[in-house]
Amino acid sequence: AQSVTQLDSHVSVSEGTPVLLRCNYSSSYSPSLFWYVQHPNKGLQLLLKYTSAATLVKGINGFEAEFKKSETSFHLTKPSAHMSDAAEYFCVVTDWGSGGGADGLTFGKGTHLIIQP
Amino acid sequence: DAMVIQNPRYQVTQFGKPVTLSCSQTLNHNVMYWYQQKSSQAPKLLFHYYDKDFNNEADTPDNFQSRRPNTSFCFLDIRSPGLGDAAMYLCATSRGGGGAKISDEQFFGPGTRLTVL
Repeated sequence: AQSVTQLDSHVSVSEGTPVLLRCNYSSSYSPSLFWYVQHPNKGLQLLLKYTSAATLVKGINGFEAEFKKSETSFHLTKPSAHMSDAAEYFCVVTDWGSGGGADGLTFGKGTHLIIQP
Repeated sequence: DAMVIQNPRYQVTQFGKPVTLSCSQTLNHNVMYWYQQKSSQAPKLLFHYYDKDFNNEADTPDNFQSRRPNTSFCFLDIRSPGLGDAAMYLCATSRGGGGAKISDEQFFGPGTRLTVL
């Protein structure tokens, strides 16, 4: 079984300061991990994904995440926040070795990122 | 551009009146998913198709049905909408992997927001 915990429901930062959105996961097999962003009344857009290659993953819009197996974490960071980053962010896990259960993705509850001017 | 298209973007129906939401994709992906997303919550998987193979989540109400007449199209039918079914409905696709039902990165449509009066 797989699960995801996003440790903060809301994060507020000032424009130009670093962003850290925290995510911990549990997985029985070899997980793939994703971060998706959702702007108001829009669908989800993939920011980045980890699929057992490099542990530091770079995504779009200056975001990156580091897969740390020992800590079962996949935190999302950005060096300098922009107003357009204000959105809902979802950490997502899927198990590649779960034996054929294409049962979609397991979502975290989301982190609402607020950017202060 | 290859994409996932959902129509309509906004749908209003009356309590108990059947409604159909549609999704089409130009990605030629094997797997299509339907998610329900209520306000300030993560998307919840309702069901998915791997090609023509339908997979229902255990807790998806019988009120929700789906059809996939061909690779490109997938429909969500709500037979008797209740007030609790008001939500954003997201369609997504993924490639799938050979003969194994493996979830990969998912590509999301913009969603259909359903209002039930």
